[in-house]
Amino acid sequence: DVKVTQSSRYLVKRTGEKVFLECVQDMDHENMFWYRQDPGLGLRLIYFSYDVKMKEKGDIPEGYSVSREKKERFSLILESASTNQTSMYLCASRSGGSNEKLFFGSGTQLSVL
Amino acid sequence: RKEVEQDPGPFNVPEGATVAFNCTYSNSASQSFFWYRQDCRKEPKLLMSVYSSGNEDGRFTAQLNRASQYISLLIRDSKLSDSATYLCVVDSTGNQFYFGTGTSLTVIP
Repeated sequence: DVKVTQSSRYLVKRTGEKVFLECVQDMDHENMFWYRQDPGLGLRLIYFSYDVKMKEKGDIPEGYSVSREKKERFSLILESASTNQTSMYLCASRSGGSNEKLFFGSGTQLSVL
Repeated sequence: RKEVEQDPGPFNVPEGATVAFNCTYSNSASQSFFWYRQDCRKEPKLLMSVYSSGNEDGRFTAQLNRASQYISLLIRDSKLSDSATYLCVVDSTGNQFYFGTGTSLTVIP
């Protein structure tokens, strides 16, 4: 079965810190995604990537950047963390075919103090 | 207007009941449709894809109505283990999934 691994389950950071969230998938999927999930707002797409070194902005990219240097790894970067970035962050991947489902990592609960 | 809208519930139903969730989407060109299940403090997991002709998987039936732009999920003979949040997911562009905010279901003994 597909495995999507996020490096941390819980993270606590201070305002202004640079934060790296790492995600690795083991199924050679072309597409990878970063979402954040907040109560009442559901999952919102931050960035996605359809190939190595390629990235596309999602619906809420402000305050975030991403890196995809290798196919299996997609990193989310908070250049200067702020309290409104406290959230559950979910990484997902899928293969490139149509009607293919998303596989999610177990999530990182980030708290910015 | 949101891409995908769901009634957040909560739905509290007794064991054995039948419960139905609906979800509407705004982009008529949407290509793929899914229902995901999310347990408390866990990641979403695929429950089932939704096909144009409708599809069934055990106690779960999914329907798609393209003309009215809604999808539905029917759960028959509800079990305690069905308690979760059900997310409606629409793939509008072939590579951008839009999620509903989820419908909370609690099955009561």
